[in-house]
Amino acid sequence: NAGVTQTPKFQVLKTGQSMTLQCAQDMNHNSMYWYRQDPGMGLRLIYYSASEGTTDKGEVPNGYNVSRLNKREFSLRLESAAPSQTSVYFCASSDAFGDLKEKLFFGSGTQLSVL
Amino acid sequence: SQQGEEDPQALSIQEGENATMNCSYKTSINNLQWYRQNSGRGLVHLILIRSNEREKHSGRLRVTLDTSKKSSSLLITASRAADTASYFCATFPYGGSQGNLIFGKGTKLSVKP
Repeated sequence: NAGVTQTPKFQVLKTGQSMTLQCAQDMNHNSMYWYRQDPGMGLRLIYYSASEGTTDKGEVPNGYNVSRLNKREFSLRLESAAPSQTSVYFCASSDAFGDLKEKLFFGSGTQLSVL
Repeated sequence: SQQGEEDPQALSIQEGENATMNCSYKTSINNLQWYRQNSGRGLVHLILIRSNEREKHSGRLRVTLDTSKKSSSLLITASRAADTASYFCATFPYGGSQGNLIFGKGTKLSVKP
């Protein structure tokens, strides 16, 4: 049972380059999230998808786009990377129903550097 | 829009001692959660306490919630070197929906053998 799988684990980009971070979960969860973690800032929500077919902006969506490809997969795209997007990115998922629907399951993260 | 704020920012203790971390928040909540993050890894859910609960236990973890003071504490008893990690509180606001969980900046715990 892999849980939440993110690829790649590390990436270095030049300013202006584009890339897509991939995320897949095998827990049949309805909701999926993308966070970024910066030193001293905690985790900040970029985008989330409450269910297949829907996406919503979080606290820091500028410079990013997302696609909920199907129930399992939720990708994050940087169209034109900027140094301010250097961060560690985490994907997470949660069930939409039940007693612990607010509990998040996290992937192991993608460390992204933009030069 | 930081909701939960952990205190202290860093804590260093000896193995076997107890570790206490605090979290304060600003608005009414549905529940409060604590997560652990080992260096270079994702966050792992530890415990969830609802607004109508005052105390909850899970193994060596004890969480308290005081909604009148808008604060929570996480106590790790008989700490071990393996407890070295960052600990985050996260609040789910009252009436919130998916996507509303807000994380604090974390407490970095170091347990020395």
